[in-house]
Amino acid sequence: AQSVTQLGSHVSVSEGALVLLRCNYSSSVPPYLFWYVQYPNQGLQLLLKYTTGATLVKGINGFEAEFKKSETSFHLTKPSAHMSDAAEYFCAVSQASGGYNKLIFGAGTRLAVHP
Amino acid sequence: KAGVTQTPRYLIKTRGQQVTLSCSPISGHRSVSWYQQTPGQGLQFLFEYFSETQRNKGNFPGRFSGRQFSNSRSEMNVSTLELGDSALYLCASSLDGSSYEQYFGPGTRLTVT
Repeated sequence: AQSVTQLGSHVSVSEGALVLLRCNYSSSVPPYLFWYVQYPNQGLQLLLKYTTGATLVKGINGFEAEFKKSETSFHLTKPSAHMSDAAEYFCAVSQASGGYNKLIFGAGTRLAVHP
Repeated sequence: KAGVTQTPRYLIKTRGQQVTLSCSPISGHRSVSWYQQTPGQGLQFLFEYFSETQRNKGNFPGRFSGRQFSNSRSEMNVSTLELGDSALYLCASSLDGSSYEQYFGPGTRLTVT
């Protein structure tokens, strides 16, 4: 069975500071990994994904994540936070076989950005 | 291209009633998945449809059902509504069965009173 753990339900940073949102996964098959962002009263927007190949993945809005198999981690980072980054972020895993589009989500991390 | 659209955006129903939610995927996308989002349980997978066939189902009671039409539009139905069914229901579409990249709609906020 697959699962995702996001460490820290709330993270607060100052504008311009590094953003680090933690995600660890459990999967018995090679995982496909995703980060989504959700703004209030909206659906989910894909930030970035890892399927195969390069382990450092760059996404939209300056975010990136690194797949570390040995640590079963896929942490999301951004060098400099903007006020507009305040939102809820979800890490998700999908199995890399079977062709089924089923995402298993973590509980989410709410990011607050202070001026 | 237009994104994933969901109707209605907001809905208020009474316990015991049934409800139907609609999802129109991105043009050309053939896979539609449904998720339930609640403060207590988070985001949970309901089911996925591909070419009018349900391929995968989450751990929800039989009161939750869905279908997909030949134009890839999908509906989900919840019968005999319970208070705990109050949630944001999200629909996501993807190109085919192996793309893994899902695009989400804005959701339907269902409130059961």
